[in-house]
Amino acid sequence: DAGVTQSPTHLIKTRGQHVTLRCSPISGHKSVSWYQQVLGQGPQFIFQYYEKEERGRGNFPDRFSARQFPNYSSELNVNALLLGDSALYLCASIRQGTYNEQFFGPGTRLTVL
Amino acid sequence: GESVGLHLPTLSVQEGDNSIINCAYSNSASDYFIWYKQESGKGPQFIIDIRSNMDKRQGQRVTVLLNKTVKHLSLQIAATQPGDSAVYFCADRSGGATNKLIFGTGTLLAVQP
Repeated sequence: DAGVTQSPTHLIKTRGQHVTLRCSPISGHKSVSWYQQVLGQGPQFIFQYYEKEERGRGNFPDRFSARQFPNYSSELNVNALLLGDSALYLCASIRQGTYNEQFFGPGTRLTVL
Repeated sequence: GESVGLHLPTLSVQEGDNSIINCAYSNSASDYFIWYKQESGKGPQFIIDIRSNMDKRQGQRVTVLLNKTVKHLSLQIAATQPGDSAVYFCADRSGGATNKLIFGTGTLLAVQP
């Protein structure tokens, strides 16, 4: 039973570039959330998607966008990268139910130079 | 606004002792709380959760206590082992259509042999 997978594991970009991060949820889960975790802090909510529709958005600029595909995998896109975008980007697979438990992937470590 | 915070940023314990990690939350309408463990370079790992209609829940070597009167949450780890060394986060689910988790800043648990 595969868990949440994310790719790539690590990524180095320069300011102004764009990046695409990918996530595959746990089999059978139809919803994912994206979080940004800056070093030394707790994760911050970016987006949630369910059945390919955006269900929520955190306090992030429009440079951040995401989408979900028919197979429930998801992409997070960040344009015009800033140094402050350097962080661990986490994808959570959500088990739909009364409390919608969230299970996190290993994350993608993005470094912006 | 909503916040979930931790009282102690670092907790150092001896191997075999019991550990207690505390957390305060501010949203009295919160109905679901989760503890996550995050090891260096990895994503948060689900440990245990508790619903707001409960005041205690036990797992394997872990117990979560919820005091809604003072909006306080704690994680107790029995017979702490070196493998328990990690950063521990409490999170509060905001509810509604968005399954946004609000994380605290985390507590670093250091287990001394």
